[in-house]
Amino acid sequence: NAGVTQTPKFRILKIGQSMTLQCTQDMNHNYMYWYRQDPGMGLKLIYYSVGAGITDKGEVPNGYNVSRSTTEDFPLRLELAAPSQTSVYFCASTRGTGGTEAFFGQGTRLTVV
Amino acid sequence: DAKTTQPNSMESNEEEPVHLPCNHSTISGTDYIHWYRQLPSQGPEYVIHGLTSNVNNRMASLAIAEDRKSSTLILHRATLRDAAVYYCILRGLGGGSNYKLTFGKGTLLTVNP
Repeated sequence: NAGVTQTPKFRILKIGQSMTLQCTQDMNHNYMYWYRQDPGMGLKLIYYSVGAGITDKGEVPNGYNVSRSTTEDFPLRLELAAPSQTSVYFCASTRGTGGTEAFFGQGTRLTVV
Repeated sequence: DAKTTQPNSMESNEEEPVHLPCNHSTISGTDYIHWYRQLPSQGPEYVIHGLTSNVNNRMASLAIAEDRKSSTLILHRATLRDAAVYYCILRGLGGGSNYKLTFGKGTLLTVNP
């Protein structure tokens, strides 16, 4: 199993450009999450999804959009990139709540210039 | 999510045991205690979780207080590779806020050679 796969690993965007960060998991997990992590800081939850067609905002959703059309994929969209969105983005998935463990991708390092 | 409190940082020597504490005085009866760690420049990885009883796995042990208001992650022999930020998280069963998976600041563990 590949687990949670994120693409791209690195990206440089110009201010105002748009892009989609891809996240896919092959474990048939219902729950998926997007986080951002600024240098030296903890993980902040951006959006999460409890199943196909269901998404909800986390702590820092402004400037981002998500969709969940399939169980496997949970893309994160940046519409108008800003320097404040320079960060490392992590995607995660879990089978359920409670005692189920979360699996994380290796991250996408995004720089907005 | 119920709150957890961890020390900002701890230091250990290589090949010595490490006890990482976590306080969670508002834990509810169905909250599982999870530990994750994040090695430098990597995504978080699952370490261990438990509900009421102490747990052991190949990575670590989890000691849970009888009243469940605190827990301790035990690394039996620290190695340089164990230097990371360790996160203690509570996750309940069912819906609502339990769908989220939120992280605090964690404990930065430094391992001295």
